[in-house]
Amino acid sequence: QVQLQESGPGLVKPSQTLSLTCTVFGGSIRSLYYWSWIRQHPGKGLEWIGYINDTGRTYYNPSLKSRVTISLDTSTNQFSLRLTSVTAADTAVYYCTRDLGLVGGMDVWGHGTTVTVSS
Amino acid sequence: DIVMTQSPDSLAVSLGERATINCKSSQSILDSSNKNNFLAWYQQKPGQPPRLLINWASTRESGVPDRFSGSGSGTDFTLTISGLQAEDVAVYYCQQYYTTPRTFGQGTKVEIK
Repeated sequence: QVQLQESGPGLVKPSQTLSLTCTVFGGSIRSLYYWSWIRQHPGKGLEWIGYINDTGRTYYNPSLKSRVTISLDTSTNQFSLRLTSVTAADTAVYYCTRDLGLVGGMDVWGHGTTVTVSS
Repeated sequence: DIVMTQSPDSLAVSLGERATINCKSSQSILDSSNKNNFLAWYQQKPGQPPRLLINWASTRESGVPDRFSGSGSGTDFTLTISGLQAEDVAVYYCQQYYTTPRTFGQGTKVEIK
């Protein structure tokens, strides 16, 4: 049973970089899935940030593309999110997920981590 | 981007009654070669991450009660909860995986009347 766990700072200052890591337990990150990041602003819906596949190819939401980097570390079975130049509008719960790619939606989710952007 | 629009934004249904949620995509998410619709449904309870309920517009994930069913094709889809239970109180989202960026509907909140 694959499980995902997000980790990273809960508070980031404006203009700085948000960095989160997702650890994959119970399975290999080197599998035919996409590994994605989703965020949810307080009391709002779900926003897809982007994903990375097992070959390291990335796809980002155009609305965030200039600020986002998703990377894969197969040695630690982790994938990461970097979001630069953050503002209060980036305050949200961030989820990492396993995306089934072209054969389905996101079938495994982390519990989510709250990131607040504030000075 | 494909825009996903759900209706209604919220609904209240009596226990044991049927809840119906609609989802419309701004363009077809049907692969005409294999007749697959690239649509998923999720359930999110307060304080929890979303849970994948349905893939391919109508295929339930393992462990999902059969009172949840999905239907539709092309641009119009429906999630039906037949016989609402108290544990079904949640926000439900549709999502297309036909293309990137992945996009979600705005969510439909289901409550008990």
